[in-house]
Amino acid sequence: NAGVTQTPKFRVLKTGQSMTLLCAQDMNHEYMYWYRQDPGMGLRLIHYSVGEGTTAKGEVPDGYNVSRLKKQNFLLGLESAAPSQTSVYFCASSYLRDRVTYGYTFGSGTRLTVV
Amino acid sequence: DAKTTQPNSMESNEEEPVHLPCNHSTISGTDYIHWYRQLPSQGPEYVIHGLTSNVNNRMASLAIAEDRKSSTLILHRATLRDAAVYYCILRDHPANAGGTSYGKLTFGQGTILTVHP
Repeated sequence: NAGVTQTPKFRVLKTGQSMTLLCAQDMNHEYMYWYRQDPGMGLRLIHYSVGEGTTAKGEVPDGYNVSRLKKQNFLLGLESAAPSQTSVYFCASSYLRDRVTYGYTFGSGTRLTVV
Repeated sequence: DAKTTQPNSMESNEEEPVHLPCNHSTISGTDYIHWYRQLPSQGPEYVIHGLTSNVNNRMASLAIAEDRKSSTLILHRATLRDAAVYYCILRDHPANAGGTSYGKLTFGQGTILTVHP
């Protein structure tokens, strides 16, 4: 039972570089989410997906893009990294039943530093 | 989304019960109360949720006030492994308004629980 797996776990980027964070879930969940967590703050939603091929913006989407080409994978991209994107990124998934989502499972996080 | 208010921090001794309060005075009739916790250097994990009645599971109990304006997460015997940030969350629940909820969890600051040996 892997649950939600995030790769990489750590990364240091230079300002202006690009990278992709990968989230994979093996629970056949419909919904997937990307959150960021900064020191002293709660988690904030960046983007989410309600199914394969669909994505939508959350609270703090600027500077990020996402893709969900396969149901089990949700990719978060940074096209031109900025120091303000230094954060811990968490992926999560949930399933839908009777129009309500359940079973939220979070990954262990990716710690990203942009210098 | 309706807002929740939690104390910034609480302390407990090992093997003692812990009562973590949460106020949600603007809760709507269809909002579920969810509790998550985040252990150091880990992602949040589900603890418990409820609507109106008190709920129990292997991790904790949830006591919900009759007017639903507050709730309390109860850890019956705290262990050192229970030291974490505990989040009380009201679920975005538009499913009851005729639409499908995308299920956003809105996290506040949470309560930092320290457990002393």
